[in-house]
Amino acid sequence: AQSVSQHNHHVILSEAASLELGCNYSYGGTVNLFWYVQYPGQHLQLLLKYFSGDPLVKGIKGFEAEFIKSKFSFNLRKPSVQWSDTAEYFCAVNQGGRRALTFGSGTRLQVQP
Amino acid sequence: EAQVTQNPRYLITVTGKKLTVTCSQNMNHEYMSWYRQDPGLGLRQIYYSMNVEVTDKGDVPEGYKVSRKEKRNFPLILESPSPNQTSLYFCASSPGQNYNSPLHFGNGTRLTVT
Repeated sequence: AQSVSQHNHHVILSEAASLELGCNYSYGGTVNLFWYVQYPGQHLQLLLKYFSGDPLVKGIKGFEAEFIKSKFSFNLRKPSVQWSDTAEYFCAVNQGGRRALTFGSGTRLQVQP
Repeated sequence: EAQVTQNPRYLITVTGKKLTVTCSQNMNHEYMSWYRQDPGLGLRQIYYSMNVEVTDKGDVPEGYKVSRKEKRNFPLILESPSPNQTSLYFCASSPGQNYNSPLHFGNGTRLTVT
């Protein structure tokens, strides 16, 4: 079965620091990759997605992620975080052509002003 | 406004008392799904539905039932709730038959079973 690992459970950064959150998945075939964000008290929202093509994808609010197939990774990055980026971030993966979406356990990001 | 609506937002109940959490979407989406979110475990899929009258088990279906009689509605039923079903529940939907489409989530239902 597909599994998704987010090794950073809780990250604390100061404003303007750079961010990288790790995401690794287990399936070796065609995958679709997503990052979702959950702001405090809100539902999940799509941050960015990768289906094919350029492995560096850009999302909303200055976030980007890079798909490295050889490493089974899809790490999320942002050059300079803001206090408003405080949220929980979930990586999600589905095998190409299948409906089941597997989520990682999430990374709680706390940005200190 | 395109949205997924869940009700209620908060629910406290006792063990064994049947309950239903409703989910409705106004985007004519074929695909709908229920997830539960627990600390340290992320989101785990309970059930999903590819279209009307088509439902299937996700990763953690035990203790739950669903139905999809209409395209817009996908209620989650707990026939005999137990304390281990205390969780935050999210309904989600997406268009189309393949999973290139991202999910649209509801605002969540926080369930406490005592």
